[in-house]
Amino acid sequence: AQSVSQHNHHVILSEAASLELGCNYSYGGTVNLFWYVQYPGQHLQLLLKYFSGDPLVKGIKGFEAEFIKSKFSFNLRKPSVQWSDTAEYFCAVTDNYGQNFVFGPGTRLSVLP
Amino acid sequence: DTGVSQDPRHKITKRGQNVTFRCDPISEHNRLYWYRQTLGQGPEFLTYFQNEAQLEKSRLLSDRFSAERPKGSFSTLEIQRTEQGDSAMYLCASSLYGLALNNEQFFGPGTRLTVL
Repeated sequence: AQSVSQHNHHVILSEAASLELGCNYSYGGTVNLFWYVQYPGQHLQLLLKYFSGDPLVKGIKGFEAEFIKSKFSFNLRKPSVQWSDTAEYFCAVTDNYGQNFVFGPGTRLSVLP
Repeated sequence: DTGVSQDPRHKITKRGQNVTFRCDPISEHNRLYWYRQTLGQGPEFLTYFQNEAQLEKSRLLSDRFSAERPKGSFSTLEIQRTEQGDSAMYLCASSLYGLALNNEQFFGPGTRLTVL
């Protein structure tokens, strides 16, 4: 069965600091990878996704993620965080048929002004 | 608004009662998913439909849970004889699935269930 792990439960940063959130998955086949964000009181929104091609994908709000197949990783990065990035971030994986959709446990990001 | 909608947004019920939630997906989307999310956890997959066919059910979906998508449009999730452990946020998502399409899921705001 597929699984997703996220390295940090809670990350606290000051504004302008760089961010990297770790995500590792276990699955033997071709995967589609996602990062979702959930701002306080709001529903899940897609930040970025990887399906194929360039392993470095860019998403909204200055976020990017790199798919490293050999490490089964899909880490999320942002060079300079803002207070408005305070949210819960979820990594998710599905197989190539859109089945077996599995979310990680989430990482809560708190950005201090 | 053309996003995924869910109704009600909040439901408080007493243990043992039945509850039903509704999800309206994005109109052209053929797949519809149900998830459950508890505090501090990621969404857990419950079941999904492609058009009106229910293609997969998680082991989390006990026999007290049933979901339908009768006309391949909106879906309902019913929980019978609710238990306090059913208290959670129930999320619905939809996607447009096809071999040449990606499988991005769009989420609704969720229905928060509290079982007293």
